[in-house]
Amino acid sequence: AIQMTQSPSSLSASVGDRVTITCRASQGIRNDLGWYQQKPGKAPKFLIYAASSLQSGVPSRFSGSGSGTDFTLTISSLQPEDFATYYCLQDYNYPYTFGQGTKLEIK
Amino acid sequence: QVQLVESGGGVVQPGRSLRLSCAASGFTFSSYAMHWVRQAPGKGLEWVAVISDDGSNEYYADSVKGRFTISRDNSKSTLFLQMNSLRAEDTAVYYCARGGWEHWGQGSQVTVSS
Repeated sequence: AIQMTQSPSSLSASVGDRVTITCRASQGIRNDLGWYQQKPGKAPKFLIYAASSLQSGVPSRFSGSGSGTDFTLTISSLQPEDFATYYCLQDYNYPYTFGQGTKLEIK
Repeated sequence: QVQLVESGGGVVQPGRSLRLSCAASGFTFSSYAMHWVRQAPGKGLEWVAVISDDGSNEYYADSVKGRFTISRDNSKSTLFLQMNSLRAEDTAVYYCARGGWEHWGQGSQVTVSS
């Protein structure tokens, strides 16, 4: 199975900061990667598909990039509602695999 | 609007079985693959299984292969997860999600404990 290594595992930042989260795949996955946001007690919310395409309704401060093995999620200017846990998911082949998550906390 | 509603969770002893259901509405169920994803307490997300739109193909995580079976009834717009030989490490909230990942259920808690 493809392993997804996400970093950092946690991150403290302030409102207005620019933050970047990274996912690395153990083998090339083209651009078959999505990003998800999860708040406590809630289902995940789909943010980005195909590594860099913004899901409808997701604010433009979220962006994704990368291809092959290295991917990033960037939030250009953190808002209070962005403090959550973020996950990547490779959907290149089965079994699909998530990164271990990045908890974004308020500094 | 799209709705996915899981049911069937609960407390079960190790080695026993449980079947989860996911009732879908608001879209053409038979046009979409469907997934199960789980989250153990305090842990990250784990993809569990997928079934194709017509039910002809299924894939599983290694951790559940041979114990869990995903199925669907397109006539009733319902997805299932049959979980056999349950272990303590299967304790989690189980989510169903529509192919494309935009829509998820609210989750169903499964606790495996003696």
